[in-house]
Amino acid sequence: SQKIEQNSEALNIQEGKTATLTCNYTNYSPAYLQWYRQDPGRGPVFLLLIRENEKEKRKERLKVTFDTTLKQSLFHITASQPADSATYLCALSRSSASKIIFGSGTRLSIRP
Amino acid sequence: DAGVIQSPRHEVTEMGQEVTLRCKPISGHDYLFWYRQTMMRGLELLIYFNNNVPIDDSGMPEDRFSAKMPNASFSTLKIQPSEPRDSAVYFCASSPDRLGEKLFFGSGTQLSVL
Repeated sequence: SQKIEQNSEALNIQEGKTATLTCNYTNYSPAYLQWYRQDPGRGPVFLLLIRENEKEKRKERLKVTFDTTLKQSLFHITASQPADSATYLCALSRSSASKIIFGSGTRLSIRP
Repeated sequence: DAGVIQSPRHEVTEMGQEVTLRCKPISGHDYLFWYRQTMMRGLELLIYFNNNVPIDDSGMPEDRFSAKMPNASFSTLKIQPSEPRDSAVYFCASSPDRLGEKLFFGSGTQLSVL
């Protein structure tokens, strides 16, 4: 069955460092891969979408890579800040006409 | 833009009672989704609508769950009768014109069934 794994349940890093989160998938061929941020008591908020024919996408301090050979996406936050502390969810869909499935998320904590 | 609006924010009920969750999607969005989030199972898609028509309800756990979308600005998710294992956060989300891209989520309804 299809499976999405995010590298760890929790990640703690020092302010100013680069946070790197991993999303691996099996038995799936996504055309779209998305990252969402979720704060406690709130719904997920869309951050970035990358397509299968794109290797990398950036938005301000965020960078996403998509390796369809390794079946993996990396999500980077550079110059991390305590305000970046949240749970980050990876999400996949086979096409723009397919429903989205979510990973279980990684809880990121940035300590001052 | 007010975003996706869900009500109530919290619902506490007793086993066997009927529960109705409500959602107002973003105006102009063609797709509406109901998700459920638990610690054990993460975010699960229950059902989605396209232009008010239910398209895929394969994620609805049992016949106790039903969802309707009588018009483009309102949807309900009903659980009757409710059970303790239904306790979770229920999210409504909408999407403008493509199923597989960019979801806009509401703040969710925290449901506790005692």
